[in-house]
Amino acid sequence: GDSVTQMEGPVTLSEEAFLTINCTYTATGYPSLFWYVQYPGEGLQLLLKATKADDKGSNKGFEATYRKETTSFHLEKGSVQVSDSAVYFCALSRDYKLSFGAGTTVTVRA
Amino acid sequence: GAGVSQSPSNKVTEKGKDVELRCDPISGHTALYWYRQRLGQGLEFLIYFQGNSAPDKSGLPSDRFSAERTGESVSTLTIQRTQQEDSAVYLCASSWGLSSSYNEQFFGPGTRLTVL
Repeated sequence: GDSVTQMEGPVTLSEEAFLTINCTYTATGYPSLFWYVQYPGEGLQLLLKATKADDKGSNKGFEATYRKETTSFHLEKGSVQVSDSAVYFCALSRDYKLSFGAGTTVTVRA
Repeated sequence: GAGVSQSPSNKVTEKGKDVELRCDPISGHTALYWYRQRLGQGLEFLIYFQGNSAPDKSGLPSDRFSAERTGESVSTLTIQRTQQEDSAVYLCASSWGLSSSYNEQFFGPGTRLTVL
């Protein structure tokens, strides 16, 4: 079945550092790929998505590229801020079902 | 407009008791989903409702779990004879109906269930 594996955390960074969170998936066909974010005390929100190979999703300075050859969808941000502290989830969709990774907790220190 | 709401936000219960969790989707969203998030794990799909179609219950972990939805509005997830392993955050999401492309799911804040 479909599955998502993402980098274990927690990850602690200083402001303006480069962030990367690795995500790989196992699925048949070509699922859509997502990054969701959960800020402290808030619900899950869609951060970005890519629906086909080589697509790049981007939002709020974050980017991720759908790499079919490596079955990956790594999340990157060039310069993080304290406000980026959150839990990040990689996910894929098969029709209407979302399959999630375990989540990576990111803490950015001033 | 209002987002997805869930109640209660927290529920502590004793092993063996039944619990009901409620979800109010975004108005107009025909699709509704329930997920479970155990500590340190990703979300697990539980059940999906789409309009008047039969729900997809393939993710329900046991027959102690059931869910209902009234038309295209409120849904309740019921767990009977709760066990300690049922302790988790239960998340509800809603979206526009099925189309040829993915419909973004909007999540509620969740209900944290603790079974003592």
